Amino acid sequence: DTEVTQTPKHLVMGMTNKKSLKCEQHMGHRAMYWYKQKAKKPPELMFVYSYEKLSINESVPSRFSPECPNSSLLNLHLHALQPEDSALYLCASSHYERDNYGYTFGSGTRLTVV
Amino acid sequence: SQQGEEDPQALSIQEGENATMNCSYKTSINNLQWYRQNSGRGLVHLILIRSNEREKHSGRLRVTLDTSKKSSSLLITASRAADTASYFCATRSNDYKLSFGAGTTVTVRA
Repeated sequence: DTEVTQTPKHLVMGMTNKKSLKCEQHMGHRAMYWYKQKAKKPPELMFVYSYEKLSINESVPSRFSPECPNSSLLNLHLHALQPEDSALYLCASSHYERDNYGYTFGSGTRLTVV
Repeated sequence: SQQGEEDPQALSIQEGENATMNCSYKTSINNLQWYRQNSGRGLVHLILIRSNEREKHSGRLRVTLDTSKKSSSLLITASRAADTASYFCATRSNDYKLSFGAGTTVTVRA
């Protein structure tokens, strides 16, 4: 299995809602990532998990809460989001120490905050 | 955070022509990678070049890296309509961050 699977593909939520994005991979990758991408912009790194521990938080607001329950799963819990948080949220995974390999990205969750 | 710039921002070519895009970055890197993205979907890894390499080929792709100028180029030869996409360079640094350039939008006309 050489895929990263993200669910849901689309999500519309109100500013008072709580929702979660899910990401799963079975490639044995020990690093997983969340990126945020606005329209016509490059992806921006949000969080990095290595060996199921949060290693990088790029000063992301606390209304975004990541969780890595095991080496195959990565969640992003959303609460009290703002309309400007509407974006494509991409999950990726990679080998951690070996730097001769690219990242594998999921197809993303298109989030709309109303 | 965005690592660098890509040039041009947009490129329109005829099918069969070559497409060249450039990427500049700011900090020291372990490797530089190129990705393709179709219509706001997920990114697909195309090719990786390590900091001690100068040129690499993969099928119709050729990438060069000049660490003294902190720049890279991606050449797609004999372009096809299916090559229409956005192309991003990305640099991986010692702190395990993968940071993306602004991207080049390529349109291949039939």
